Amino acid sequence: GQQLNQSPQSMFIQEGEDVSMNCTSSSIFNTWLWYKQDPGEGPVLLIALYKAGELTSNGRLTAQFGITRKDSFLNISASIPSDVGIYFCAGQGSGTYKYIFGTGTRLKVLA
Amino acid sequence: DSGVTQTPKHLITATGQRVTLRCSPRSGDLSVYWYQQSLDQGLQFLIHYYNGEERAKGNILERFSAQQFPDLHSELNLSSLELGDSALYFCASSVAVGETQYFGPGTRLLVL
Repeated sequence: GQQLNQSPQSMFIQEGEDVSMNCTSSSIFNTWLWYKQDPGEGPVLLIALYKAGELTSNGRLTAQFGITRKDSFLNISASIPSDVGIYFCAGQGSGTYKYIFGTGTRLKVLA
Repeated sequence: DSGVTQTPKHLITATGQRVTLRCSPRSGDLSVYWYQQSLDQGLQFLIHYYNGEERAKGNILERFSAQQFPDLHSELNLSSLELGDSALYFCASSVAVGETQYFGPGTRLLVL
């Protein structure tokens, strides 16, 4: 099925470092969602974005709705070991209620 | 805790068998979505129900079917199981069509 492109696919970082990941699409979206999935668990909603240019924070996490409406970014500051997991973006296009999920970014934090 | 519940948490069965996965949405949510996630893969959308009626189908095999009951819980039926059906199956719910989806903890299915 159709999916968004997320990058990077995976990353190893040192504890305390900042992390950036992004999601891109060839079409315009009206809503972007970011989820985190711990191993063997269901995805948990982190941040929801509804407006182009919107910047929203949730603790050490900050996400932005790209002004072109074709991309979104998630930043994690001062990473800690429990940030390990898979981060998924999901986008909802114009004129549709369906969400398309990204391929995921696998984050591993080295203590 | 998202408020979405799924049972069972784990299921081990044999090829050719049939299983039923159950999902209870968050209180007040009318939409239920089913997803399949194979090992180290992304989420593949299977099917969406809204207030008891099927709204959309994704990459769902003909051997799979689902329904949403009047109390809004949903069941995903998987039949003639094959080894490749081994995966995590998630349901998600939302208040209405197109609203933010909240995921359950998933059912891990292993077909031997």
